Amino acid sequence: DAGVIQSPRHEVTEMGQEVTLRCKPISGHNSLFWYRQTMMRGLELLIYFNNNVPIDDSGMPEDRFSAKMPNASFSTLKIQPSEPRDSAVYFCASSYREGRDQPQHFGDGTRLSIL
Amino acid sequence: LAKTTQPISMDSYEGQEVNITCSHNNIATNDYITWYQQFPSQGPRFIIQGYKTKVTNEVASLFIPADRKSSTLSLPRVSLSDTAVYYCLVGGNTGGFKTIFGAGTRLFVKA
Repeated sequence: DAGVIQSPRHEVTEMGQEVTLRCKPISGHNSLFWYRQTMMRGLELLIYFNNNVPIDDSGMPEDRFSAKMPNASFSTLKIQPSEPRDSAVYFCASSYREGRDQPQHFGDGTRLSIL
Repeated sequence: LAKTTQPISMDSYEGQEVNITCSHNNIATNDYITWYQQFPSQGPRFIIQGYKTKVTNEVASLFIPADRKSSTLSLPRVSLSDTAVYYCLVGGNTGGFKTIFGAGTRLFVKA
C-alpha cells in the first residue's frame, strides 16, 4: 500500500517567493496533519484536518502560512511570501480517524530552503 | 496535555537490549502512550502504543506500571540500524487534541 506521499522532496527558493507543499494521505484516512521540524524547535504541529475540515490551526506561525484540503486525497500548505526563517523540513501525516490513540503515518517530508 | 520527559541521548552496543524510559506524571485517565522512531531524512514511524500493563509487537515491548506515570520502551537485541530518535507521546482520544512531540531520545548503537 502507498504511504503518505509528499512533493516536492526538496525545494530551494528565494525569499519573497510563494511556496506550495503538497500531500496525498493514505487512502481511507480521515485525519491529516502538517508538521514543521527544525533543530531549534523540534517537531511542531502546524494544523490538522478531520474529514477535510481544519480543526486546529493554532500552530500556524503567522498569516503567511495557509493550508487547504479540497478533498480527501489532497492537501496543500502554502507560504506566501516566504522568509529564510521558514527553512525547515515539513512533514505531512495521516491517521485513520481523529484521536490521539490513532497512530499517525508520516510522509518523507519536504526539505525547504529559503535563500 | 501531559508533558513527557525522556533522556536526551543513550548509547548501546549491537545485540544488547535497550530500555528507554519516559516520565508522564500528569497523564490523564483517557490518555494512551505512543512511541515513534525517526531516522535521519525520514518522517517519524509508529512503533508501539499502550494504555496499561505490557504490550508487545514484532519490533518492541512497552511496559506501563499500574500508576501509568511512566513507561518504558524496550528494544531487544538492537542493531546498528536501530540508531534513531525515539519519541514518547501521551494523549487521549478526545476531540480537539493536539499532538505534541518532545525532544525525543537519540539512541546511538555502536558495533
